[in-house]
Amino acid sequence: DGGITQSPKYLFRKEGQNVTLSCEQNLNHDAMYWYRQDPGQGLRLIYYSQIVNDFQKGDIAEGYSVSREKKESFPLTVTSAQKNPTAFYLCASRKREQGGSPLHFGNGTRLTVT
Amino acid sequence: EDKVVQSPLSLVVHEGDTVTLNCSYEVTNFRSLLWYKQEKKAPTFLFMLTSSGIEKKSGRLSSILDKKELFSILNITATQTGDSAVYLCAVFFIIQGAQKLVFGQGTRLTINP
Repeated sequence: DGGITQSPKYLFRKEGQNVTLSCEQNLNHDAMYWYRQDPGQGLRLIYYSQIVNDFQKGDIAEGYSVSREKKESFPLTVTSAQKNPTAFYLCASRKREQGGSPLHFGNGTRLTVT
Repeated sequence: EDKVVQSPLSLVVHEGDTVTLNCSYEVTNFRSLLWYKQEKKAPTFLFMLTSSGIEKKSGRLSSILDKKELFSILNITATQTGDSAVYLCAVFFIIQGAQKLVFGQGTRLTINP
């Protein structure tokens, strides 16, 4: 079955440590996205990538970094520079069509930094 | 600045009521508007709207887009407790050649029995 896999489901880290969240898709989608969700709020765009080896900053990119070395993979690193990293992180992908197409989401990673 | 605004942020109704959720947007190079339902984890896709005035319907849910006034509504009739969720609106648009998708804050809908 095709889909998006995020791992791990829960992640705990100490303040000051970098941490990398995994996102893999086998849907053959070109575009991939990372969103952050805080309690009671909508999704805010961190980074997105339309093709391999290319990505753009979203609205809240500070303190985060990404890479897109393979079409299937779009890992997100939460660096120590991110002031409030505790949140729910969602990865998504979609076909790259001019008119837009629905996002397919992974099940998310809940990151807690203490 | 490109933005997507949903209202109300929170809504509590009784089972059987009809609700209308709103989504307004200000973006350049609009392409489509999408509605999602989020219960616990990943949002699930409901509708994608690209043309004004054409209603999309799925069971008790329906949605319509007004590209002149820059908004969309999501209607749910005969609500059930299973409709309780956060409803998210997202707008897909082109900026500097890149395809971007921005979400609103969401509307938390609670259906009481």
